[in-house]
Amino acid sequence: SQTIHQWPATLVQPVGSPLSLECTVEGTSNPNLYWYRQAAGRGLQLLFYSVGIGQISSEVPQNLSASRPQDRQFILSSKKLLLSDSGFYLCAWRRWGTDTQYFGPGTRLTVL
Amino acid sequence: GENVEQHPSTLSVQEGDSAVIKCTYSDSASNYFPWYKQELGKGPQLIIDIRSNVGEKKDQRIAVTLNKTAKHFSLHITETQPEDSAVYFCAVAYSGAGSYQLTFGKGTKLSVIP
Repeated sequence: SQTIHQWPATLVQPVGSPLSLECTVEGTSNPNLYWYRQAAGRGLQLLFYSVGIGQISSEVPQNLSASRPQDRQFILSSKKLLLSDSGFYLCAWRRWGTDTQYFGPGTRLTVL
Repeated sequence: GENVEQHPSTLSVQEGDSAVIKCTYSDSASNYFPWYKQELGKGPQLIIDIRSNVGEKKDQRIAVTLNKTAKHFSLHITETQPEDSAVYFCAVAYSGAGSYQLTFGKGTKLSVIP
């Protein structure tokens, strides 16, 4: 069966510090991968998606970036965090050719 | 792009009653309609989905209905239980010809009162 992991689970960072969030998927090959952000009490905003290693599409211009160094690894980064970057970050995967997206447990990021 | 509206934003029901959440969408080409349940502090979990060639789908106490002409679909939860309390999101996707784009509604917070 397939499993998706995210770490860390929670993170508190000062404004201006760097960020690295990691997502890995087990039990499948060549998944489509997604990063979403969920602000408090709001819906899901798609940030990035990837259809393969090194292939990243950005949906929202911001100070965040994403990378996919391995088939089942997706990383969300920032060089300098802003207060507005606080939120719940969700990674999701989808098997190529199917419709269903499966979400990870999320990372709660607080920028102070 | 696709626009998804979800109503109501909050819903309180007595345990044992039914709950209905409705979503409308704008793109008539959309053909995949999932519903997710998100408990506090967790990632969304798929609870049921429907494709455009089907009008209704049931899974125990949960059902989804789709009206393609009116471009709306609804989640029905019968015999609600306290553990049904969560935020529910609808989503809409066009899937085909190598393209896939999933758009979410803003969510409904369901509270089931014991």
